[in-house]
Amino acid sequence: DAKTTQPPSMDCAEGRAANLPCNHSTISGNEYVYWYRQIHSQGPQYIIHGLKNNETNEMASLIITEDRKSSTLILPHATLRDTAVYYCIVRVAYGGSQGNLIFGKGTKLSVKP
Amino acid sequence: DADVTQTPRNRITKTGKRIMLECSQTKGHDRMYWYRQDPGLGLRLIYYSFDVKDINKGEISDGYSVSRQAQAKFSLSLESAIPNQTALYFCATSDPNGPSATNTQYFGPGTRLTVL
Repeated sequence: DAKTTQPPSMDCAEGRAANLPCNHSTISGNEYVYWYRQIHSQGPQYIIHGLKNNETNEMASLIITEDRKSSTLILPHATLRDTAVYYCIVRVAYGGSQGNLIFGKGTKLSVKP
Repeated sequence: DADVTQTPRNRITKTGKRIMLECSQTKGHDRMYWYRQDPGLGLRLIYYSFDVKDINKGEISDGYSVSRQAQAKFSLSLESAIPNQTALYFCATSDPNGPSATNTQYFGPGTRLTVL
């Protein structure tokens, strides 16, 4: 079973920031938080990951709470092309099947004009 | 990701037929994976391979087999296809020794398989 909880759906206005929450209250000290997205039946696309510090790349920012029990993915200026299902996944970096991705149902983000 | 390719992209077949889905990668990654996705659900792991000689069953391996012909190639076979194997199939690769050192997985575009 997935170790994360995400809202099933969210809407966002084009050009505004999209903030996608994720709860992972049972996260272990050696587990990272990963975010992927899947645009309409395409292969999942890696977005960002982090351990305990906030992270930013060209696609998004990841804010992890100090207790690491929740995080927020931020798309700073959402576009229509960001409409997708967003998956929050926690896992260890290495090690056999423990390092494999376990996908839940994710959050369906709809960006509206 | 264009570095991971899957063939065919779409396939319709009949119950009982043998089907092979192929995955190739130019990323130079040692690890490769096969997932399936059913409508409205997340991905589930079928098989994974850490190198050419290391193949492991995933969550839902029954009815499937795999072959790791080379570092760059990982094939998934359905020996006798059945209708409930109708799904989207994704291949992925990862490199635990890459720059981020966190074994991030990169996915191919998927194969849509329909078993009648």
